[in-house]
Amino acid sequence: DGGITQSPKYLFRKEGQNVTLSCEQNLNHDAMYWYRQDPGQGLRLIYYSQIVNDFQKGDIAEGYSVSREKKESFPLTVTSAQKNPTAFYLCASNRGQGAYEQYFGPGTRLTVT
Amino acid sequence: AQSVTQLDSHVSVSEGTPVLLRCNYSSSYSPSLFWYVQHPNKGLQLLLKYTSAATLVKGINGFEAEFKKSETSFHLTKPSAHMSDAAEYFCVVSGQSGGGADGLTFGKGTHLIIQP
Repeated sequence: DGGITQSPKYLFRKEGQNVTLSCEQNLNHDAMYWYRQDPGQGLRLIYYSQIVNDFQKGDIAEGYSVSREKKESFPLTVTSAQKNPTAFYLCASNRGQGAYEQYFGPGTRLTVT
Repeated sequence: AQSVTQLDSHVSVSEGTPVLLRCNYSSSYSPSLFWYVQHPNKGLQLLLKYTSAATLVKGINGFEAEFKKSETSFHLTKPSAHMSDAAEYFCVVSGQSGGGADGLTFGKGTHLIIQP
C-alpha cells in the first residue's frame, strides 16, 4: 500500500538532547512537509522540500533542521535550541506544483521533559 | 496573502441530526479549498476538495461542501451525524499562484462532538 510512515509514534526525550523524527513516503511525491500541531492552534509549517537536496524554511523553523537526501525520506531534527519542543509532529507530501492537496502521515508525539 | 477562519471551535450535535461546520476564507488568487478530518492522535485525512470545478463538492463518508465566492465561504455539511464522525475538522485554503508547495493555510480546527 502507498502511504506515508512516521516513526516512532511516541517519543520521549530529556531537555537538551537533539532528536530526529523519521518520515518516509512511497507515493513518488516530489514535495514533502513538516508541521507542528499544538492544541487549539491548527498546523504550523516548519520546513518543506520541493525536490531532493533542497528545502525551505516555513513559518516556525527556528530550532529545527531537516535533510532531503532521498526523494522518499525527509527526516526532521528537533534541536536543543527549540524552546518548546513538546508537540505533535506531522509529515505530509504531495506531487508538487499544480497538485495542492497533501497526504499526511500518522504523526509523532514528542514529549520533552 | 490568504487566511482561513473556522467560525466555531466546538460543535455539538446529536447522532442522526445534520452537521454544519463553518469556514470563511480570503485569498488574493482563485483558491483551492479543502476539508481534512483528524481523529485523536492520528494524521489528517482528506475529506474533500474544491479546485474551481463544480461549486458543490462531495466527499467521503457522506460529507459535502459548497463553495460560495460571493460569501467567501466553504461550509462543510452532512445530513445525518454518526458517532464515528466525532473528530477535529480543518478547513484549508491554497491560493498561491503557480503552485501550492508553501501556500497551504490551515484553519485552527473545529472539534465535532456527537451526542448519543
